[in-house]
Amino acid sequence: DSGVTQTPKHLITATGQRVTLRCSPRSGDLSVYWYQQSLDQGLQFLIQYYNGEERAKGNILERFSAQQFPDLHSELNLSSLELGDSALYFCASSVGGQGRTEAFFGQGTRLTVV
Amino acid sequence: GENVEQHPSTLSVQEGDSAVIKCTYSDSASNYFPWYKQELGKRPQLIIDIRSNVGEKKDQRIAVTLNKTAKHFSLHITETQPEDSAVYFCAAGDKLIFGTGTRLQVFP
Repeated sequence: DSGVTQTPKHLITATGQRVTLRCSPRSGDLSVYWYQQSLDQGLQFLIQYYNGEERAKGNILERFSAQQFPDLHSELNLSSLELGDSALYFCASSVGGQGRTEAFFGQGTRLTVV
Repeated sequence: GENVEQHPSTLSVQEGDSAVIKCTYSDSASNYFPWYKQELGKRPQLIIDIRSNVGEKKDQRIAVTLNKTAKHFSLHITETQPEDSAVYFCAAGDKLIFGTGTRLQVFP
């Protein structure tokens, strides 16, 4: 167990819908990263938050948004869902905010859009 | 933008042989280079990392080398075992950008 908790583990929803994925970082970690992993693909960086503030942005679609709350948990919101959004979404947390300390991954949320 | 290239995409070796995976990165400010192993259906897990102030680090059968001038780093696995079969990812940069992954298969 990495100490990073993601909920839900699985999510099935229809096209056009909106979902929220939740991530609780390890105790003491201030940074949260979100990644998308499509079938047999790599880890695509979406966005990073550090201590409540957006730190870095990747190729995140405008339909996607995220935030980190005062208690440091983070949520990734996906709206107007398309079939191609089906993927495994991982969050990772680390102590530092500049990609220089070990990042621990949650078990992921498998999103299926039908 | 920041980019991490990883080669090869697939690698098949016989048990006991060595395996080498190579990555290059674009962000010259990168100082931390982790390697993750992802088994099928599981989360990526850190197996080894290296910082820019050292050129090589070893942990039992796994070693990583870093050439900051050339902006590339490599993972070396010696005496491979079937349980080493997985997808391996390198990463670099402040955004923790990952390479495209290498699927390693170790045949008994």
